[in-house]
Amino acid sequence: QKEVEQDPGPLSVPEGAIVSLNCTYSNSAFQYFMWYRQYSRKGPELLMYTYSSGNKEDGRFTAQVDKSSKYISLFIRDSQPSDSATYLCAIRRQGGSEKLVFGKGTKLTVNP
Amino acid sequence: DAGVTQSPTHLIKTRGQQVTLRCSPKSGHDTVSWYQQALGQGPQFIFQYYEEEERQRGNFPDRFSGHQFPNYSSELNVNALLLGDSALYLCASSLPGGDGYTFGSGTRLTVV
Repeated sequence: QKEVEQDPGPLSVPEGAIVSLNCTYSNSAFQYFMWYRQYSRKGPELLMYTYSSGNKEDGRFTAQVDKSSKYISLFIRDSQPSDSATYLCAIRRQGGSEKLVFGKGTKLTVNP
Repeated sequence: DAGVTQSPTHLIKTRGQQVTLRCSPKSGHDTVSWYQQALGQGPQFIFQYYEEEERQRGNFPDRFSGHQFPNYSSELNVNALLLGDSALYLCASSLPGGDGYTFGSGTRLTVV
């Protein structure tokens, strides 16, 4: 069983739609959860970072963590064509510089 | 303020050859991690360097080695290249007690 599972999509939505991206993980030792956005031919860029169950909001983005179900989500409201990218969930056991374990990524296209 | 700089951006090598990739961390960061991202996959952790020593290592063979210099820059070396080594190689820098990683745009290695 992989440590983190993410549906690779692809996912195509119209502009203005609400997007839901999800990952599951297998080990309750993971305590820190991140979402990265990766544009084509670029490195991943940190979008959201959280270490507790519940919701964390930043503008149009909301990260949700359910540790009891080992399930993490990213919601994008009022999606824009500029949100078209691959979204990667990443988890790690400890804070600081502990290594990241990434999902496969979900490729999102927002159509004008 | 420059972010993480990687060189070269693209590289084509022949099977069996050796390659060296370079990374300059973000200003103020002293920890460097390397990740391999195959096409359609999430990044996989190779190793991490701090204070010129390898601190953590992922599940990669000894053909993969690295080095960190006193100015915190780093090199990734891969010997006896295989076709399967073709991937985007990402460098990420961080502070040892910090929670955020900054990724470079990567070096795309093609082995033919």
